[in-house]
Amino acid sequence: DTAVSQTPKYLVTQMGNDKSIKCEQNLGHDTMYWYKQDSKKFLKIMFSYNNKELIINETVPNRFSPKSPDKAHLNLHINSLELGDSAVYFCASSQGSRSGNTIYFGEGSWLTVV
Amino acid sequence: TQLLEQSPQFLSIQEGENLTVYCNSSSVFSSLQWYRQEPGEGPVLLVTVVTGGEVKKLKRLTFQFGDARKDSSLHITAAQPGDTGLYLCAGGSNYKLTFGKGTLLTVNP
Repeated sequence: DTAVSQTPKYLVTQMGNDKSIKCEQNLGHDTMYWYKQDSKKFLKIMFSYNNKELIINETVPNRFSPKSPDKAHLNLHINSLELGDSAVYFCASSQGSRSGNTIYFGEGSWLTVV
Repeated sequence: TQLLEQSPQFLSIQEGENLTVYCNSSSVFSSLQWYRQEPGEGPVLLVTVVTGGEVKKLKRLTFQFGDARKDSSLHITAAQPGDTGLYLCAGGSNYKLTFGKGTLLTVNP
């Protein structure tokens, strides 16, 4: 039973389109994240949520809009996709936000914008 | 922003060799973590070190946290092809874990 699951795993879309990535965790965690991994494998935080509330928005363009309907779900909607948005997007969760807590990652969603 | 520098960026070795990967920063961290990421998967936590000078062992992997809590190292003894992957160090404050750029390790049979 997958702990952090995200869909779709692969997504190819044209510039200008709007797309969503869904994420669910069944670990009972209260904190969820979106990370972006670029082509050079650099993994960077985008958003952090705690109990459905946005805590961190790491200077992400407002074309990216996360939504957390409940603490087990954190979806990512992207408007007006650009070529530079091509990357792997990882959803993750942890119990609490303290540095040193284990973060559990999903398998990633590979987004290609053409 | 706390930055973590990892070296080397790439490492290709033969099975049975030893290796060390480094993670350095000018900032002090309350803890540092090491994750391993395999192709097509998300990162998976290997270890968390929290005390300056701490050494932790995980089978053939030895992790050390620097005395000043600004750096860490990962040493692998007798590397095996199954150790192949991207090794990431990470640290940071509440809600914001910062990752190094990773070391891509390839162990050839």
